[in-house]
Amino acid sequence: KNEVEQSPQNLTAQEGEFITINCSYSVGISALHWLQQHPGGGIVSLFMLSSGKKKHGRLIATINIQEKHSSLHITASHPRDSAVYICAAIDDKIIFGKGTRLHILP
Amino acid sequence: DAGVIQSPRHEVTEMGQEVTLRCKPISGHNSLFWYRQTMMRGLELLIYFNNNVPIDDSGMPEDRFSAKMPNASFSTLKIQPSEPRDSAVYFCASRGRTTPTGELFFGEGSRLTVL
Repeated sequence: KNEVEQSPQNLTAQEGEFITINCSYSVGISALHWLQQHPGGGIVSLFMLSSGKKKHGRLIATINIQEKHSSLHITASHPRDSAVYICAAIDDKIIFGKGTRLHILP
Repeated sequence: DAGVIQSPRHEVTEMGQEVTLRCKPISGHNSLFWYRQTMMRGLELLIYFNNNVPIDDSGMPEDRFSAKMPNASFSTLKIQPSEPRDSAVYFCASRGRTTPTGELFFGEGSRLTVL
């Protein structure tokens, strides 16, 4: 079993839909990191969180430390949100999930 | 700040050749990470350095891989001899003292193709 599990692996949705991507981890962490990788390959940091919730524009990330679970939400999704979203468990090491490939249709 | 700089962006080489990938972390960052990304396995940590010292190289696939960080502003990942299964995108990332939560900043990656 992977130490960081993401679901779903692939997600296709219509523009405007509310999107939820889940991340569960089995290791101890000091923080959880959400990353975005665009089709061009570059990786961008979205959120780093260790408790509660963070919001940036249409993106919201939440974490439940007791349940070892985090979610990334996208409100009013747009085709430019199409990317691979990766969560990573941060401690001394950094362990990545396999990513969720999101495709937003116009 | 220029961000994390990697070179080359793309390399195509033949099996058996030596490959050297280079990384310049963000100035002032004290942790540097090398990752490999493939379709099958996603992102995998190869090795990371704190203050130029290798801390964990358990992700390095085998003896053909080696990494050095001679100073705070430069690191190399070397594959000798290269094999087709080494074809992947290799990312370098750095993390700084001023980001205690450990936020990573990634380079744009080096896409390696071994024929």
